[in-house]
Amino acid sequence: DAGITQSPRHKVTETGTPVTLRCHQTENHRYMYWYRQDPGHGLRLIHYSYGVKDTDKGEVSDGYSVSRSKTEDFLLTLESATSSQTSVYFCAISEGGGRLGQYFGPGTRLTVT
Amino acid sequence: GQQLNQSPQSMFIQEGEDVSMNCTSSSIFNTWLWYKQDPGEGPVLLIALYKAGELTSNGRLTAQFGITRKDSFLNISASIPSDVGIYFCAGDSNTGNQFYFGTGTSLTVIP
Repeated sequence: DAGITQSPRHKVTETGTPVTLRCHQTENHRYMYWYRQDPGHGLRLIHYSYGVKDTDKGEVSDGYSVSRSKTEDFLLTLESATSSQTSVYFCAISEGGGRLGQYFGPGTRLTVT
Repeated sequence: GQQLNQSPQSMFIQEGEDVSMNCTSSSIFNTWLWYKQDPGEGPVLLIALYKAGELTSNGRLTAQFGITRKDSFLNISASIPSDVGIYFCAGDSNTGNQFYFGTGTSLTVIP
């Protein structure tokens, strides 16, 4: 299994509070991704990174920001959480872009009340 | 964003039966990927396809890249209980970095 961990694994927070999710990899892969998974929508890309300090927006980036200061860590921040951001969040990594497939982390279940 | 439609949404089959599912997109893709997700876990890559018409196998799984480049198919032969899960297709947007996922096909295998 690829070395990807996500923390926390579960979180309940209140509307309007900031939340940061962490993805940590031990594979030294260049690309890292954040997805959200909701019933009826599959997985949707939020942001991705193609190197330290290099990030780009995905399909559903509004309300989210990311940072990557080290190869191994990719942080996803919800500046002011809303109930619509209740979801399961997955981090993924890949060596040379997504065409060779991505390795996914175990997910973080976030509930915004 | 891109629309990827997977069908069927769910399947209930007897152990030993073959399974077929497909994925269609509203635009042309250069890469098709098939993933399986077990409950409480992240998706795991099963098969990757890179050329129109390509047929690739991984054990009892066979996937095809449609010749129109707007669809892909996954077949599972002689299903077993551990095939239970949700199967997702994913296609790229030509950048190689932004993959769009289908809504998934939930497979239940009855022993």
